[in-house]
Order: sequence, then structure tokens, then C-alpha cells
Amino acid sequence: KNQVEQSPQSLIILEGKNCTLQCNYTVSPFSNLRWYKQDTGRGPVSLTIMTFSENTKSNGRYTATLDADTKQSSLHITASQLSDSASYICVVSLYNNNDMRFGAGTRLTVKP
Amino acid sequence: DTEVTQTPKHLVMGMTNKKSLKCEQHMGHRAMYWYKQKAKKPPELMFVYSYEKLSINESVPSRFSPECPNSSLLNLHLHALQPEDSALYLCASSQGRTLPYEQYFGPGTRLTVT
Repeated sequence: KNQVEQSPQSLIILEGKNCTLQCNYTVSPFSNLRWYKQDTGRGPVSLTIMTFSENTKSNGRYTATLDADTKQSSLHITASQLSDSASYICVVSLYNNNDMRFGAGTRLTVKP
Repeated sequence: DTEVTQTPKHLVMGMTNKKSLKCEQHMGHRAMYWYKQKAKKPPELMFVYSYEKLSINESVPSRFSPECPNSSLLNLHLHALQPEDSALYLCASSQGRTLPYEQYFGPGTRLTVT
């Protein structure tokens, strides 16, 4: 079982709508959680990074939340644009060696 | 400059060929990484270099041979690959290994083994 579970696997929304992606993890000891955006055939680009003490972080239309007690994170995208179509990957790092555990990603498609 | 560059962008090679993938960064980062990513899957860590020394080899077959000639360059030498090795190969770098430093990814090399 993957230590980082993302849902949904895929999502289709209309341009201008909001959406929320979920990430649940069992990784321990926790260091930080990152959300990456990856366009098809390209490398991932970091959106946010949160440590244990942070429960929300924004980057433009992207807002990530973290509940370290329940080991859950979400990524909220506001007023979606066609360019938001991509895979969104949740990555949790371990405290002792900073090894990264990748989720399988959520494939988001924004339609006009 | 927060860019990691990778060449070539695409590579098609036969199973008997020898080729190399190249990665470069000029951010002064001391940790560099190779990942392999299959379609619709997350990246899988292959190798980690820290201060130009190989610190992690995730049980990667010997047909993949990494090399770090200096702190800015990372190569991945390929020999006698199999069709199942076809994937997107991503390079990344970070300031260091231990603290939660940001990893910056390159655009990847799309490798096809025929």
C-alpha cells in the first residue's frame, strides 16, 4: 500500500470552476509536504511546501492545507484555467533523511 | 536562475546502443537526482548524488550508470537497455540533502528503447 494516497485519480471540470484535490499520507516521521504540478511530458514544478507547523499556504490561485494530526492535505484551485490541466502530485518527505514519498497524482482536465 | 536543463529532450535507441543523458544546473546545488517516470505513474528515485558522491542507488540495474563529473553536471549512461526501460527520465537538484530543501526538476528526457 502506498504511503501517500491521492484522490480522485482524475477530475474533469469546466473553466472558471473551483476544485479540491486530496492527499492522505501515513509517512512517518513527517518533515514536510509538497504539491507539484506536472504537465504531460514535463518535469514537476513546485506549487507549495508546508512543514508540520503550517496549516495553509497559498500560491496565486492555488491554496494548500495541511492537517498534520489527521495526516491529510488538500489543494484547492480557484477559478480554474485551461492551463491548469495537468497532473498534481503530493509528495511527503521523511524527517530523518528527507527521502520523498510520491503520491500517484490526480490528473486534472479543465474544459472550455 | 532556477533552471535545471536536460538533454536530449527525446532519445530513441536500440537495445545494443550506448547513449548518455545529460543534466545541468547552475544554482550551486550540491545534491542531484535521477528519477524514472512511467506513464501515469509518479517519479521513482534511481540515484542521488550529494557533493559529487553517489549516496543512494535504489537497486537500479547496472545497465544504468550515473556519473557526476562536477557539482553542476550529472550524466546517466545507458547500455544494453530493454524496451521496458522506455520512460521519462527526470533530473532534479536541491541545495542539500538533509533539510527540506526544494527540489527543482528538469523538463525530462523521453527515452524510447526499440
